[in-house]
Amino acid sequence: AQTVTQSQPEMSVQEAETVTLSCTYDTSESDYYLFWYKQPPSRQMILVIRQEAYKQQNATENRFSVNFQKAAKSFSLKISDSQLGDAAMYFCAYRSASRDDKIIFGKGTRLHILP
Amino acid sequence: GAGVSQTPSNKVTEKGKYVELRCDPISGHTALYWYRQSLGQGPEFLIYFQGTGAADDSGLPNDRFFAVRPEGSVSTLKIQRTERGDSAVYLCASSYTGSWETQYFGPGTRLLVL
Repeated sequence: AQTVTQSQPEMSVQEAETVTLSCTYDTSESDYYLFWYKQPPSRQMILVIRQEAYKQQNATENRFSVNFQKAAKSFSLKISDSQLGDAAMYFCAYRSASRDDKIIFGKGTRLHILP
Repeated sequence: GAGVSQTPSNKVTEKGKYVELRCDPISGHTALYWYRQSLGQGPEFLIYFQGTGAADDSGLPNDRFFAVRPEGSVSTLKIQRTERGDSAVYLCASSYTGSWETQYFGPGTRLLVL
């Protein structure tokens, strides 16, 4: 069974600085998708960034980028120029590309932005 | 356009009661998912619909939980004989076809069983 592990329950970063959230996963599949979701206090899960496992190039979305290391099964999220609105729970997630459309989530990392 | 909506936003009930939670997916989305998020945890998969049929219900914890999607759009998650351990946020998501498509989440229903 696939698992997703986030080892940092909480992190803090100064506004305008850069922070990296860690994630590791376990799977025997070769084709899959990885995601980072943001969940603010409103509870709405918002997709931040997505990576297809077959792509070697790391995904980027404006201030958000990932470091995808397939062999190490590592998928970290880097947030540059942190803003107060980035404060939220961040979930790393996995989804098989070949079967089972469910998403498997980690336990999350709570990110605090210090003004 | 409108996103995924869920009603009610909050629900308080007593142990042993029956509850229904509703999800309105994005118009045209054939795939619909239910997840449960307990306090301090990530969401956990419950059930997945493709159209009107449940394609995967392996996440339903026991036979007190049931979900329907009779016309392939709105879905209702039904919980019988609620227990305090059922207290959680229930999230609904939809995607255009399933498979590789992005899942869009609703704001969830917070269920509290007293």
